[in-house]
Amino acid sequence: EVQLVESGGGLVQPGGSLRLSCAASGFTFSSYSMDWVRQAPGKGLEWVSYISSSSSTIYYADSVKGRFAISRDNAKNSLYLQMNSLRDEDTAVYYCARAPDYYGSGSYRPYYFDYWGQGTLVTVSS
Amino acid sequence: DIQMTQSPSSLSASVGDRVTITCRASQSISTYLNWYQQKPGKAPKLLIYAVSSLQSGVPSRFSGSGSGTDFTLTISSLQPEDFASYYCQQSYNTPPTFGGGTKVEIK
Repeated sequence: EVQLVESGGGLVQPGGSLRLSCAASGFTFSSYSMDWVRQAPGKGLEWVSYISSSSSTIYYADSVKGRFAISRDNAKNSLYLQMNSLRDEDTAVYYCARAPDYYGSGSYRPYYFDYWGQGTLVTVSS
Repeated sequence: DIQMTQSPSSLSASVGDRVTITCRASQSISTYLNWYQQKPGKAPKLLIYAVSSLQSGVPSRFSGSGSGTDFTLTISSLQPEDFASYYCQQSYNTPPTFGGGTKVEIK
């Protein structure tokens, strides 16, 4: 059974940092690209970042570029999101999601998000 | 970025009703369109990928159609467990973008 379990969320002040983790099991983690998707309270879904299976390709949403860093450790079956310079508008539930990808227009990109974790809440507030 | 517009934003329906949700892309996305279901306090769940391919384990009352810019999700006979929010998502371009969601409520 595929399982994704996020951790690391919590309350942080504006300008602070937080590191989210996602522990994967039930599938060959090193064969899949992974993404972070977030959802502000009462709002819709917003894609945050993508990392290919080998970490060779990484993408970020413009809203987090330069502040967030995605990484993975295939030996530990784990995905990470380092979040720096946090803002009020980063308050959200953060989900990790498995993403089978495809090759199009000269690059790999996520095709769809077939498994999601339960999410971890990040609250940015003074 | 490609904008995804869903309609309606909410609807009320009864058990057994046929429900259709529409998703429109701001430019052609070919068949790179996926649908998700989300219940309150839970993670989204993939229902349909590539316009019409049913994810494993998803009931056959769910179906998808469309191409280019206009897509629909149809629930042929609404069941009590289908009351939830539904999101479309395009994967034609990076960044992947989601529609604003459609909340299906009990009439």
